[in-house]
Amino acid sequence: GAGVSQSPSNKVTEKGKDVELRCDPISGHTALYWYRQSLGQGLEFLIYFQGNSAPDKSGLPSDRFSAERTGGSVSTLTIQRTQQEDSAVYLCASSSTGGEQFFGPGTRLTVL
Amino acid sequence: AQSVTQLGSHVSVSEGALVLLRCNYSSSVPPYLFWYVQYPNQGLQLLLKYTSAATLVKGINGFEAEFKKSETSFHLTKPSAHMSDAAEYFCAVSGRANSKLTFGKGITLSVRP
Repeated sequence: GAGVSQSPSNKVTEKGKDVELRCDPISGHTALYWYRQSLGQGLEFLIYFQGNSAPDKSGLPSDRFSAERTGGSVSTLTIQRTQQEDSAVYLCASSSTGGEQFFGPGTRLTVL
Repeated sequence: AQSVTQLGSHVSVSEGALVLLRCNYSSSVPPYLFWYVQYPNQGLQLLLKYTSAATLVKGINGFEAEFKKSETSFHLTKPSAHMSDAAEYFCAVSGRANSKLTFGKGITLSVRP
């Protein structure tokens, strides 16, 4: 079956612009996670959605970052007023209840 | 809170040699432990996981890991390296199922012909 998909695969933007990154989880998976992978910081947790519960936003680095999950499926990560330090690969993962996390291929964000 | 330490950033082995990638963890609750592999320009793929069942866990591609509570370790091994094993390997910990993962910094494995 289809895995986790993310779009776009690459995004180049100018400092100060807003960007939206999309994640399509595996159908039926109730949990969805966003992580960020950068050279300096490694793999960092950003935000976690589980069913209809309030999301765990404890990993978001600043209030410029936000995410939503519509209809318990697709998720969008939004970064406002991008900065050069936001350049990274943004990974999305989904899982069923108690199951392993399946990762998407990531979106490589470059902020010029 | 949880944390993971992967000492060193790069390991090089000869094809056919033993692979040993070290992982030590810290957790305030019984941990769930994972090893993931990442090939260039790809996402993460789960190799194996420990979830409080058997302490010796077998995964895909001939990898296995042993949970040692006394040493707070979860080292990854493979008896005989293949060229296709060259990738980056991440150890991760969480405090419960369906929870965020805390990753180590990763280790790049190179395999020499």
